[in-house]
Amino acid sequence: SQQGEEDPQALSIQEGENATMNCSYKTSINNLQWYRQNSGRGLVHLILIRSNEREKHSGRLRVTLDTSKKSSSLLITASRAADTASYFCAAPSGAGSYQLTFGKGTKLSVIP
Amino acid sequence: DAGVTQSPTHLIKTRGQQVTLRCSPKSGHDTVSWYQQALGQGPQFIFQYYEEEERQRGNFPDRFSGHQFPNYSSELNVNALLLGDSALYLCASRRDRGQETQYFGPGTRLLVL
Repeated sequence: SQQGEEDPQALSIQEGENATMNCSYKTSINNLQWYRQNSGRGLVHLILIRSNEREKHSGRLRVTLDTSKKSSSLLITASRAADTASYFCAAPSGAGSYQLTFGKGTKLSVIP
Repeated sequence: DAGVTQSPTHLIKTRGQQVTLRCSPKSGHDTVSWYQQALGQGPQFIFQYYEEEERQRGNFPDRFSGHQFPNYSSELNVNALLLGDSALYLCASRRDRGQETQYFGPGTRLLVL
């Protein structure tokens, strides 16, 4: 079953604009992670936010976490064409929390 | 410092055949996980290996098996291939202690005809 569900499924913006992607999850989590995937290749880890954190920044990325609503958002500011990719949220799940459960992702297109 | 590497990059097989995919973890990592990603979907957890043992398994049939070697590298074996096994297979590694982030390899794209 999906732990994370991203919204929207696809997003198209102009270069320089901000992009916001949302993620909802079902069960209690210790942390939530965001990954980027370019053209069906490997995933690149972007940022991890712990359950006791509300907001975290990394360069042009800002992630928020609302555990009461079981939701998270990823904001990419001043987008660039190179940000074109699929973005996934993922949370540890299962006994021991060894596995990551991913959503279906948001496909972001940044138009130059 | 080499990241996670996988081989081969692409593979074409026919139904009923068997396939072996290989993964070398990032230096210093001792835990390897395998994921299957169908087109347009998020990765699905297959299993995780630690200390040469399968530690956790996702909802995949016994046709999917694996192995971890003393140097922490790993193999994923799939027997009796089905058309539905066509996917990108991703390997991820991390240190078992004190690290929650998983580092992914570039994947092996398997096509079953």
